[in-house]
Amino acid sequence: EDQVTQSPEALRLQEGESSSLNCSYTVSGLRGLFWYRQDPGKGPEFLFTLYSAGEEKEKERLKATLTKKESFLHITAPKPEDSATYLCAVPGLEGNTPLVFGKGTRLSVIA
Amino acid sequence: EADIYQTPRYLVIGTGKKITLECSQTMGHDKMYWYQQDPGMELHLIHYSYGVNSTEKGDLSSESTVSRIRTEHFPLTLESARPSHTSQYLCASSERTDTEAFFGQGTRLTVV
Repeated sequence: EDQVTQSPEALRLQEGESSSLNCSYTVSGLRGLFWYRQDPGKGPEFLFTLYSAGEEKEKERLKATLTKKESFLHITAPKPEDSATYLCAVPGLEGNTPLVFGKGTRLSVIA
Repeated sequence: EADIYQTPRYLVIGTGKKITLECSQTMGHDKMYWYQQDPGMELHLIHYSYGVNSTEKGDLSSESTVSRIRTEHFPLTLESARPSHTSQYLCASSERTDTEAFFGQGTRLTVV
């Protein structure tokens, strides 16, 4: 069973059209949830870490939130330069194992 | 800004050649990782290390090998490259397994 599921797989928005990306996880005793942005042909760029339900982090037009079951990445008034794949990750089920990544959401923002 | 470097950025090589992809980080992280990613596809963990002289295989079977002789250096080697090894290889490091990992820019490998 996948530990991390992201939806939708792809999202196309008009410039200025706000929306949210979802990351649901199945691990109990969450030890952190991480959001990344990845541009084509490049390595993922770290965005946010969330550790507790109710926690929120913001950076420019992005805001990440966390509940006990899922995390949302809210994009407010997106611009074309926000187009990228957004990945979320959680620590592995077994203690001291590497991060497990979701398959990502490909976001396209059209001018 | 993350201080993790991969060389080369791009590599085109013939079948049967031995290659080493370099990865170095200056953050003093004990944990280092190699991921393989095809265009538009998900990340697959192929190797990881929790410190000097520690290496483990990841979730995706890979014919590559790794070594960790120095904390800052985690090279990946393919003894005999094949076209099926064509992919992007991403190196990352972290302070702990439950903290954020920082990625290099990747090496795009093409085996012809």
